[in-house]
Amino acid sequence: GDSVTQMEGPVTLSEEAFLTINCTYTATGYPSLFWYVQYPGEGLQLLLKATKADDKGSNKGFEATYRKETTSFHLEKGSVQVSDSAVYFCALSVRDDKIIFGKGTRLHILP
Amino acid sequence: DTAVSQTPKYLVTQMGNDKSIKCEQNLGHDTMYWYKQDSKKFLKIMFSYNNKELIINETVPNRFSPKSPDKAHLNLHINSLELGDSAVYFCASSLGLERPYEQYFGPGTRLTVT
Repeated sequence: GDSVTQMEGPVTLSEEAFLTINCTYTATGYPSLFWYVQYPGEGLQLLLKATKADDKGSNKGFEATYRKETTSFHLEKGSVQVSDSAVYFCALSVRDDKIIFGKGTRLHILP
Repeated sequence: DTAVSQTPKYLVTQMGNDKSIKCEQNLGHDTMYWYKQDSKKFLKIMFSYNNKELIINETVPNRFSPKSPDKAHLNLHINSLELGDSAVYFCASSLGLERPYEQYFGPGTRLTVT
């Protein structure tokens, strides 16, 4: 079945460090891929998305490229800030009525 | 303007009680969802509705019953609450049955059953 695997956290970095959160997927169809972010005490917010191979989603300095050959959608940011501390979810959708989420990666940024 | 809103934000109740959580979206979306997030942040879909019609009903106890009076509202009623029902419940909505299927989430309702 369709699934998403992302690196387990927590991930702890110092401010201005480079961030990578790995995400790989398994899908029977041609999925759309997403990264969602959940700040403490809040709901999930769409961070970025990509709908076809080689698309790059970007937002707020974060980027992820849809890699069909490696079935991956890794999240990157060149210089993280304390305000980026949150839980990040990789997700996919191949159907019109369902998104499958990874288990989430908690990110801590130290000042 | 709040896109997807839920009430209440916090709900503390005793085992055996019946409670409801309300959700409203003002985005004009056709599809709405309920998710349960456990203490480890794992998100599991419970239900989805498209234009008031039930689309997804995952393996959820019959004590959980969604109701959609119109396409802007999707409420969740829970009967005979159990300790294991304690979690954060999120409502979400999406434009409908077209790619890319991104969803917009409410702020969540933290349910604590004692």
